[in-house]
Amino acid sequence: AQSVAQPEDQVNVAEGNPLTVKCTYSVSGNPYLFWYVQYPNRGLQFLLKYITGDNLVKGSYGFEAEFNKSQTSFHLKKPSALVSDSALYFCAVAANSGYALNFGKGTSLLVTP
Amino acid sequence: SQTIHQWPATLVQPVGSPLSLECTVEGTSNPNLYWYRQAAGRGLQLLFYSVGIGQISSEVPQNLSASRPQDRQFILSSKKLLLSDSGFYLCAWSAGLSGANVLTFGAGSRLTVL
Repeated sequence: AQSVAQPEDQVNVAEGNPLTVKCTYSVSGNPYLFWYVQYPNRGLQFLLKYITGDNLVKGSYGFEAEFNKSQTSFHLKKPSALVSDSALYFCAVAANSGYALNFGKGTSLLVTP
Repeated sequence: SQTIHQWPATLVQPVGSPLSLECTVEGTSNPNLYWYRQAAGRGLQLLFYSVGIGQISSEVPQNLSASRPQDRQFILSSKKLLLSDSGFYLCAWSAGLSGANVLTFGAGSRLTVL
C-alpha cells in the first residue's frame, strides 16, 4: 500500500522568506509524486510532479520540490514566499504500477506580511 | 479544452435522506474518474475511482456508492445519509491509466448532514 505523511499541520512564514513544506512517502516500487494546492472552498490545483529524471522539479508560481529517494521525501520549496501563497498544500503519491493517487492530510501554509 | 463540473455546490440534508452528487467531464473521452472526500477542511480520502463505464473500484467500505452510467459522468450516491457523511466532496479526472497523470479537480460539493 502507498501512503504519504505531511508531518506539519501548519507552517508559518514571513513574506519574502524561503518556505519549505515537508512530505515523506511510502510506496512499493518507484513513486510518482505530486504537490497540489487548495484555496478556501475550492478544488485542488496541480503544482508540480516528479515522475523520473532530475530530482529537482520546478512547477507553477515559483514552487519547486526535491525528490530524495534515500530519505523517501519530496519537500516543497519556494525561495521567497508571498502572502498569496497562503493556502492548503497536499502531497500525493502513486505507485508506478497503479493509477490511484493517495494524498497526505495537507499542510496549511500561512504567509504573513 | 477539458472542463469538469460538479453539482450541487452545497447541500444540506437530514440524516436518513438520500444523496446524489453528480460530476461530468467535457472535452475528453474515456477519462479516469475519482471521488474524494475532504472532512473538516483537511485530509483527502479516496472513495471511488473508475476506469470505464460501469467499472467502479471502492477504496473504503462506507455508506456511499458510485456509478458511472456514461463515459464522462460519475455519480456519488447514498440511500440513507449519516452525520459522518458530512464533508467536502471532490470529483476529479485524469487521462489514461498511469498514476503519472495529473488529476484535474472540480470545484467541490459541500455536504452538511443534520
